Amino acid sequence: EVQLVESGGGLVQPGGSLRLSCAASGFTFSNYWMHWVRQAPGKGLVWVSRINSDESSTTYADSVKGRFTISRDNAKNTLYLQMNSLRAEDTAVYYCARVPSYLGAFDIWGQGTMVTVSS
Amino acid sequence: QSALTQPASVSGSPGQSITISCTGTSSDVGGYKYVSWNQQHPGKAPKLMIYDVSKRPSGVSNRFSGSKSGKTASLTISGLQAEDEADYYCSSYTSSSTWVFGGGTKLTVL
Repeated sequence: EVQLVESGGGLVQPGGSLRLSCAASGFTFSNYWMHWVRQAPGKGLVWVSRINSDESSTTYADSVKGRFTISRDNAKNTLYLQMNSLRAEDTAVYYCARVPSYLGAFDIWGQGTMVTVSS
Repeated sequence: QSALTQPASVSGSPGQSITISCTGTSSDVGGYKYVSWNQQHPGKAPKLMIYDVSKRPSGVSNRFSGSKSGKTASLTISGLQAEDEADYYCSSYTSSSTWVFGGGTKLTVL
């Protein structure tokens, strides 16, 4: 079964750091671009970041540029999001999602992990 | 990176058809074929319903269809069913090599 499972969410103080993980299974992880998308409570989906299959290229939303770093370990079939200098407005459910090059769309999503930034 | 524009809500009765619009710019919706639609039920992860403007993934009902004209994409759901009640989000690739979502549309089946 094709599956993405996020972990690492939790409560963190403003200015703090957190690293999210996304474990992939059921497909050849190293062949796919991967993304992080977040959703604040009661709000819509917001694209955060993406990484290409061999980690040679990354892009970020302006709202997280310079604070968040996306990375991957193809040997461990795992995607990461290092989040630094966290703000209250970063509070959201964070989803990892797969985008096949032949689709250009988010075809597989994880169940999400909640990040709460609060003192 | 402004969000694509979607109506906040739409509604329809069972069996009817509804259409949800998604308006962007020439730098996203108007410039690329990579426009997709995701369905999200409360508390659940999104699910891909339409990709490449009008294509359906395997397993998605043919009651769902997509189209695009200029900078506006549309999702049409025909033969509305109770289980279609959900939030719907469009998304598009952009000229900045990023992706952007719409603000979401809540579909109510009356």
